[in-house]
Amino acid sequence: EAGVAQSPRYKIIEKRQSVAFWCNPISGHATLYWYQQILGQGPKLLIQFQNNGVVDDSQLPKDRFSAERLKGVDSTLKIQPAKLEDSAVYLCASSWGNQPQHFGDGTRLSIL
Amino acid sequence: GENVEQHPSTLSVQEGDSAVIKCTYSDSASNYFPWYKQELGKRPQLIIDIRSNVGEKKDQRIAVTLNKTAKHFSLHITETQPEDSAVYFCAATPRYSSASKIIFGSGTRLSIRP
Repeated sequence: EAGVAQSPRYKIIEKRQSVAFWCNPISGHATLYWYQQILGQGPKLLIQFQNNGVVDDSQLPKDRFSAERLKGVDSTLKIQPAKLEDSAVYLCASSWGNQPQHFGDGTRLSIL
Repeated sequence: GENVEQHPSTLSVQEGDSAVIKCTYSDSASNYFPWYKQELGKRPQLIIDIRSNVGEKKDQRIAVTLNKTAKHFSLHITETQPEDSAVYFCAATPRYSSASKIIFGSGTRLSIRP
């Protein structure tokens, strides 16, 4: 089966600019997750969707981060405006039921 | 909330020897414990998982043990090979969340010496 697809793979922006990431989950996976992985740390959940509804966004910095999954399939994560501390890899994952999560390759974001 | 601690942060073993990574969790109601392997610049990949109704699970050279009383679980890799070099993350599901939410440890960088 095709895996979780993410784009772009790399992004470099200046602080205070905006950026958007895209994720296409595995076909049929109702649950979609966005994680932030800072260098040397484990992934930290930002937001979890069940179909097109938000299940958990308790760790999402809502003053600058937003995410949507309008049709319950693809999802976008946006940062506006970006700060230096947002430099990280942004991972998307998907799952079905209580089955394990499958991760995409991530987007490496560098803020100058 | 749930907290997962992982030790050691780095581990170097001779090829062919065994490697052990240990994790502790804080929520006694946690019921699912996956382990992920992440090679440099790659996605985390599930290598083994265990549920709270099982004390041990093995898959070829990899095994995981769970001690619910002590709230700790461990990954054991035997007969290590160069391709085992990677960062390994343990994780656990916290109690008051959807069944599929997991909290990750901080990772262990495993290096296999030839």
